[in-house]
Formats: sequence, C-alpha cells, structure tokens
Amino acid sequence: QVQLVESGGGVVQPGRSLRLSCAASGFTFRSYAMHWVRQAPGKGLEWVAAISYDGRNKYHADSVKGRFTISRDDSKNTLHLQMNSLRTEDTAVYFCASAGIAVGDYWGQGTLVTVSS
Amino acid sequence: QSVLTQPPSVSAAPGQKVTISCSGSSSNIGNNYVSWYQHLPGTAPKLLIYDNNKRPSGIPDRFSGSKSGTSATLGITGLQTGDEADFYCGIWDSSLSAGVFGGGTKLTVL
Repeated sequence: QVQLVESGGGVVQPGRSLRLSCAASGFTFRSYAMHWVRQAPGKGLEWVAAISYDGRNKYHADSVKGRFTISRDDSKNTLHLQMNSLRTEDTAVYFCASAGIAVGDYWGQGTLVTVSS
Repeated sequence: QSVLTQPPSVSAAPGQKVTISCSGSSSNIGNNYVSWYQHLPGTAPKLLIYDNNKRPSGIPDRFSGSKSGTSATLGITGLQTGDEADFYCGIWDSSLSAGVFGGGTKLTVL
C-alpha cells in the first residue's frame, strides 16, 4: 500500500535552515508529481510547493518563494524540502502528498517544524 | 484568509445529511477541478472527492461532491460519529500554477 513518511522536522532558530524528507513506497514514485502542504497550529491547510513527476517543473507558494526549494531523488524514492531563512510563521506540521488525480491523493502523517528562539 | 471560502463549522445529528460549501470565483473554482479532503488532527488528510464529483476507490458513496459555477459542495449522508473531522476543499489553480485550499470546516456530529 502507499506509504509516505516525512522526517527532518524539529526545533530551529529563526534565520536557520532545515531540510525535510519524505520517503515514498507502494507506488511508482517517479511517475507522480508531489506536493508539500503545511498546517500551522490552529490553522488550516496551506499549500507550500509542488514538483512535476520528472522534476523539471517546480512551484512554490509566494509565502516561501526564494526561501524554500522542493526537490526529488527518484533513485531513492524521496521528496525533499530545503527550508532556508526560517521565520516563526513557518512553524507548522509539514505533510508530503502524492498528486495523481488531485493535489493530494495520498498524504503522510506529517513532521513538525518549530521555529523559535 | 483563503480565496476559497468555507463555513467554519457545521453540525448535524447521526443519520442525518450535511452539506459543506466552498465558494470562490471564476478564476479559481470556476476554471479548475475541486477536490475535498477529510482531516483528523494528528493524522494524514484523506482525499474524499476529486474532479468535482468523483470518489477514489474505498470512499463510501455517503460522500458526494458537486460544482456549479464558482461554488462547490460536499455532501455527507448517513452521518456517523466517526465522520467528525475538519473538511477542506482544494484546487490546483492552473493559471497560477499553485495549490489552494479553503479555510476548512469543522464537522460536529451531535
């Protein structure tokens, strides 16, 4: 069955960097576009970034553009989110999601990122 | 605030029917397919409806979706206490090349 497992979250100071990973299994990873979506405490879902199945096209929300970068390693069935210049408002649970028929067909359980001094 | 507007909360009794609306504009809902997601805090969100009204395999037909113009609606019949969750509409805005989610609606089954 499809499994998406996020890792790499933690507590980080403002201005620092963090790299999230999402290990995928149970489907042909290289054939699917992928997304990162986040949920800040007490808030709703917010789309963060997307990458095409072949990695050629990358899209980022205005709120993270220039600071976050989505990438993928098809040899390892892994999705990444490099987060630089982190701000307190980036504190959230970050979900990865596959995108076959919708923005998120399958979702992981999420990894918590806390940006705090 | 999201450009897709949902009511903050809805409620109904077990066995009843409830609808959740998602209102947008011609540039978002009007020109893109709508999906619906169920999310229990602390768990992975689940896709309920895609392409406005299609159900993925394994989603019971108690869940239905529709779209008219610049609004979409999720319907849930035969409510169960286990349906209590947050529900989100979402689109891939092809003109912006960006994902967009509604603000979410909390369903309470009284």
